[in-house]
Amino acid sequence: KQEVTQIPAALSVPEGENLVLNCSFTDSAIYNLQWFRQDPGKGLTSLLLIQSSQREQTSGRLNASLDKSSGRSTLYIAASQPGDSATYLCAVRHGSGNTGKLIFGQGTTLQVKP
Amino acid sequence: DTEVTQTPKHLVMGMTNKKSLKCEQHMGHRAMYWYKQKAKKPPELMFVYSYEKLSINESVPSRFSPECPNSSLLNLHLHALQPEDSALYLCASSSPGQGPGELFFGEGSRLTVL
Repeated sequence: KQEVTQIPAALSVPEGENLVLNCSFTDSAIYNLQWFRQDPGKGLTSLLLIQSSQREQTSGRLNASLDKSSGRSTLYIAASQPGDSATYLCAVRHGSGNTGKLIFGQGTTLQVKP
Repeated sequence: DTEVTQTPKHLVMGMTNKKSLKCEQHMGHRAMYWYKQKAKKPPELMFVYSYEKLSINESVPSRFSPECPNSSLLNLHLHALQPEDSALYLCASSSPGQGPGELFFGEGSRLTVL
C-alpha cells in the first residue's frame, strides 16, 4: 500500500531564506508526483508535476526533484516571501495510468515571517 | 484557461435536504474527480470519471451520488447527509491517457450539515 509522508509538518522561517520541503513515498511504482499549494479555506493550486522518468522540474523560485529509487521528492523554495505562507502538499499518482488514484501526504504548513 | 469552477462556494443543509454541488471545466479534460477534505487533513478521493464514465468509486456511501452529464460538467448529488459529512468538497480535472495527467482543482464547496 502506497504511503506518502511529508516532513516537517510545520515550518517557520524569516523572509529571504531558502528552504526545502520533503516528501517520501513507500512504493516506487509511481506514474508522477505533483506538488500543490493550499491557502486556508481554498482549493489546491498545482505548483509542479514531475513525471516518473524525470529528475526535476523548475518554475520561477520553485524547484522540485524526484528520486524514485529512494522514494523521495523535495520542493526547494528560493528567497522565501511572506506570500509563500501556505500548506504545501505532495501527491503521487500510483500505478501505470494517469487517472489512477492520487495519494496525498499530510502536508507541510509554511509560515514566512516578514 | 486552467480554471475549474465550483458552485456553490458555501452550502448549509439539513439532514433531510437534497442538494447538489456543481463543477465545470473548459480545458477539454476528459477525467474529472470529486475529493472530500476535512480540516487540517489532505484531500480524500471519492469518485473519478473518465470519458464520462465512472471509473473509481472509493466506497463512498450512497447518500453521495455523482453524475457526469457531459465532458465539461460534474455534479455531486447530496441526500440524507450526516453532520460528519461537513467538509470542503473539491472538484478536479485532468487529461486522461498517457500524458502528464496534471490535476487542476477548483476552489471547493464548503458544506455544512446541520
